Amino acid sequence: DAKTTQPNSMESNEEEPVHLPCNHSTISGTDYIHWYRQLPSQGPEYVIHGLTSNVNNRMASLAIAEDRKSSTLILHRATLRDAAVYYCILIFQGAQKLVFGQGTRLTINP
Amino acid sequence: GAVVSQHPSWVICKSGTSVKIECRSLDFQATTMFWYRQFPKQSLMLMATSNEGSKATYEQGVEKDKFLINHASLTLSTLTVTSAHPEDSSFYICSASLPGLAGSEQYFGPGTRLTVT
Repeated sequence: DAKTTQPNSMESNEEEPVHLPCNHSTISGTDYIHWYRQLPSQGPEYVIHGLTSNVNNRMASLAIAEDRKSSTLILHRATLRDAAVYYCILIFQGAQKLVFGQGTRLTINP
Repeated sequence: GAVVSQHPSWVICKSGTSVKIECRSLDFQATTMFWYRQFPKQSLMLMATSNEGSKATYEQGVEKDKFLINHASLTLSTLTVTSAHPEDSSFYICSASLPGLAGSEQYFGPGTRLTVT
């Protein structure tokens, strides 16, 4: 599986935008970029995924670099409930298995 | 969205006993479910892939005789930790994918915290 690299931790303030980076320089053409997050003492939850184009949903936006070697998860207006560990994961097309890295621990300051 | 439940949410057992954890997809059928283990301050580690009607596929280093997985129906997978020891104390999480949407999102259960005394 292609690997991803994320900062160990990030901090932001409530009601401000947050940009969470992910590097995946060895991504293949059929790898999907998935983001999940895990709130304390809970199972992970799906956030968003994309292949080549930028994606938006009610939770976040995903900006994918033109060469697909990096991506950024954007939380447009962070709340305290967005404090979690965010995981960027590559999934080969047709595969279902998720391999979690260390993720980015996001702290939101009130 | 799809909902996955786990039972129990926490369990305490004595060393040497066995514990069964259930994972259910509540509003969809899941031919494939996954079991993860998570130690404090660490990431999730995939233990095995549970396939309905067939044997589970275990990740390297996971003892299949210790962690028994049964996926008897399209909505239920169970993980039994046999002869539990304190080092098996962990947070166990299951997930399921919607069939036919490979590469799409997975739905996770809330996790089961196991403490072995």
